[in-house]
Amino acid sequence: AQTVTQSQPEMSVQEAETVTLSCTYDTSESDYYLFWYKQPPSRQMILVIRQEAYKQQNATENRFSVNFQKAAKSFSLKISDSQLGDAAMYFCAYRANNNDMRFGAGTRLTVKP
Amino acid sequence: NAGVTQTPEFQVLKTGQSMTLQCAQDMNHEYMSWYRQDPGMGLRLIHYSVGAGITDQGEVPNGYNVSRSTTEDFPLRLLSAAPSQTSVYFCASSYLLGGAWGYTFGSGTRLTVV
Repeated sequence: AQTVTQSQPEMSVQEAETVTLSCTYDTSESDYYLFWYKQPPSRQMILVIRQEAYKQQNATENRFSVNFQKAAKSFSLKISDSQLGDAAMYFCAYRANNNDMRFGAGTRLTVKP
Repeated sequence: NAGVTQTPEFQVLKTGQSMTLQCAQDMNHEYMSWYRQDPGMGLRLIHYSVGAGITDQGEVPNGYNVSRSTTEDFPLRLLSAAPSQTSVYFCASSYLLGGAWGYTFGSGTRLTVV
C-alpha cells in the first residue's frame, strides 16, 4: 500500500524567511501525482501545488515551489518570503492512477512576526 | 457554482444511532470520495467512487456504507455509530484535466459520537 510520511510534526519560520517542509512516499507505481494541501483553522482543504511524476521540472506557484526527487521518492515544499497567512497545517498527498488520494500526517507551520 | 456541498456541518450522535452524511457536487466530476480526519492525522480514505453505480473501499471502510446513484450525489452512511467514529469527515470530487488531477473538497462535517 502506498504510504506518505511527513517527518516534521511542527515547523516554525520567521516572517519573510524561507522554510522547507519534507515529504517522502512509498510506491511501486511509475505514474502518479503528488500534492501539497494547506489546512487553516477553518479546516478548508486548499491546494497549494501539485506535481505530475512524469514531469521532471519542479512545479512552482508564486512563493511556493517543490523539490521533486523521483528516485528518492521525496517531495518537499519550499515556502519563500513567508507570510503570517501561511500559518496552517500542511499535508503532503499522493495519488496513483488506480487509487484515490493518500495523505501524510501533516506539518503544523507557525509563522513568527 | 457551489462546488462540493456537505451537510450537516456539525452532528452529535448517540452510540448505536445511524445517520447519513450528505455530499453533492455540481461540477459533473466522475470521481468522488469520502475521508475522515482524526486529531494529529491526515485524511484517510473511507470509500470512493469512479462514477455512478461504482464504488470501492478505501483504507478505513468498516462501519460505513456508500452508494452512487447519480453523478452529483455521494452519501456516506454510518450504520451503527461508535465513539471511534468521532471525527471530521470530508467529501471530495475530482477530475483529470490536461494530465493533471484536481480535487475540490467540501467544508467538512464534524461528527461526535457519545
